[in-house]
Amino acid sequence: GESVGLHLPTLSVQEGDNSIINCAYSNSASDYFIWYKQESGKGPQFIIDIRSNMDKRQGQRVTVLLNKTVKHLSLQIAATQPGDSAVYFCAAKGFQKLVFGTGTRLLVSP
Amino acid sequence: DSGVTQTPKHLITATGQRVTLRCSPRSGDLSVYWYQQSLDQGLQFLIQYYNGEERAKGNILERFSAQQFPDLHSELNLSSLELGDSALYFCASRLAGGPPSTDTQYFGPGTRLTVL
Repeated sequence: GESVGLHLPTLSVQEGDNSIINCAYSNSASDYFIWYKQESGKGPQFIIDIRSNMDKRQGQRVTVLLNKTVKHLSLQIAATQPGDSAVYFCAAKGFQKLVFGTGTRLLVSP
Repeated sequence: DSGVTQTPKHLITATGQRVTLRCSPRSGDLSVYWYQQSLDQGLQFLIQYYNGEERAKGNILERFSAQQFPDLHSELNLSSLELGDSALYFCASRLAGGPPSTDTQYFGPGTRLTVL
């Protein structure tokens, strides 16, 4: 079946560093990908998305890179701040649904 | 604030009981999705409704059911509850049927269900 996996369950960085969270997906037919941020006790919050006809998309302090050849997705957060501490999920569009990874917990220390 | 609302925020009940979780999608969104998130787990897709009709099913137990009403709000019914049903239940909404840029799902704040 379809699956989405993140490479690290936890990522610890210092405030001001750049963070990179990686994700792999299995379905080569996936044409849409999303990154969500989930803070403790809250629902997932949309961060950025990318379609398969692109390999890079930038938002405010965030960049998503898509490598369709190896079915890999990454989220880069520039100048990480304590408020970025959360669990980050990637999701790939499957047949009639989004398939979510298990999440990477980003810990930002001052 | 995503514009998706869910009630109640917390629910504590006993095994064997039945509960109903409610979701109101963003204004104009026609699709509602339900997800279950157990402790330290990812989001497990349960079911999707589009404009009142079931559109897709995921890992939803037979003890669980859902519906979407004419005003587009949705309810998730969980019956014969077991300890293992304790989890966060999220609903998400999406415009659906629009251009590709509307594929994004927007999540509500969730309902935390505790089964004792």
